[in-house]
Amino acid sequence: AQSVTQLDSQVPVFEEAPVELRCNYSSSVSVYLFWYVQYPNQGLQLLLKYLSGSTLVESINGFEAEFNKSQTSFHLRKPSVHISDTAEYFCAVVRGGGATNKLIFGTGTLLAVQP
Amino acid sequence: ETGVTQSPTHLIKTRGQQVTLRCSSQSGHNTVSWYQQALGQGPQFIFQYYREEENGRGNFPPRFSGLQFPNYSSELNVNALELDDSALYLCASSWGLAGEYEQYFGPGTRLTVT
Repeated sequence: AQSVTQLDSQVPVFEEAPVELRCNYSSSVSVYLFWYVQYPNQGLQLLLKYLSGSTLVESINGFEAEFNKSQTSFHLRKPSVHISDTAEYFCAVVRGGGATNKLIFGTGTLLAVQP
Repeated sequence: ETGVTQSPTHLIKTRGQQVTLRCSSQSGHNTVSWYQQALGQGPQFIFQYYREEENGRGNFPPRFSGLQFPNYSSELNVNALELDDSALYLCASSWGLAGEYEQYFGPGTRLTVT
């Protein structure tokens, strides 16, 4: 079975500072990795995903994540955050090559950007 | 192109009652998944439907049941509501079952059980 660990429940950061949200996963099989963002009172939006190929993936709004197979990690980074980045961020995995794309989520990290 | 929609937005029920939540999948999507998100937690997989058949179920009791219709919309039914059923219920649709197919989420239904 797969599982996802997000150790930081909340990450406070000042505007324009860099940030890293940590995600570790456990799985005995290959996985696909995702980061979703949830703004207050909204559903989830896909931020970025790793399926195969380059281990560094980027989003259109400046976030990036790097798949590290040896450390079973998929940390999310942004070099300079904005107030509008304040949201809950969820890391998730899907079993690769399986007969379902059900997502297994971590418990989430609240990114709180302060002016 | 219409995204995933869910109804109702909010719902208040009493313990022991039954509830039906509805989800319209994005145009062209044949797969619908339901998730429960308790306050302060990540979403938990309830079950998934592919072309009107259940395709996998999470660790939820049988009083959680579902349907998928020929137009690929879906319902989640919960019988004998308990206080712990209070949560945000999220529906997601995708083109198919393969892991690389992105799931598109609706805004959710906030269920409160008193």
